[in-house]
Amino acid sequence: SAVISQKPSRDICQRGTSLTIQCQVDSQVTMMFWYRQQPGQSLTLIATANQGSEATYESGFVIDKFPISRPNLTFSTLTVSNMSPEDSSIYLCSVHIRTGVLTEAFFGQGTRLTVV
Amino acid sequence: DQQVKQNSPSLSVQEGRISILNCDYTNSMFDYFLWYKKYPAEGPTFLISISSIKDKNEDGRFTVFLNKSAKHLSLHIVPSQPGDSAVYFCAAGGGADGLTFGKGTHLIIQP
Repeated sequence: SAVISQKPSRDICQRGTSLTIQCQVDSQVTMMFWYRQQPGQSLTLIATANQGSEATYESGFVIDKFPISRPNLTFSTLTVSNMSPEDSSIYLCSVHIRTGVLTEAFFGQGTRLTVV
Repeated sequence: DQQVKQNSPSLSVQEGRISILNCDYTNSMFDYFLWYKKYPAEGPTFLISISSIKDKNEDGRFTVFLNKSAKHLSLHIVPSQPGDSAVYFCAAGGGADGLTFGKGTHLIIQP
């Protein structure tokens, strides 16, 4: 398994500002992902962050709004830029671990962001 | 288009009985499937996964069944306990891609 420390756990931010969320994993992992869960919704993939290459963004998400860093195999950051109230969500990082034919995916505790 | 569907928003089960949570998918390229449990204000907790080359995987009280021809999977919890009350998400993945999640089913275990 993998243990992921994500911070901050929550924040209240002013519109127009930016927030950087950090994820630290207790082991080296190749695949790291960032998700968003809007109120009352399921989890939606924002981007895939692999070390040594630029993040790959899903449809509807762009690098200028959600820049991602992946400096090594145990750490990643997601920045929510120029925030508006519509960005109020839970943001989660995740890692996948493949063992034989089984894939397991583990999540951080989430960052509950409220934009006012 | 929703590629992973959980058609029951909620399910109520008596303590000690079997809970069966269902999930359907449309994308035949998915090659693994996972179930998560989530409490409010916490990240999803991984429960169990299954590869597309298997039809069953069991871990303690949790068993996942996969029917590839029907593009359907289910999670069985036996026996159900009060601590199992939570929202359960089905998710699917393929290759090096991230996961696609269903909308979740709220499981309520009644004493």
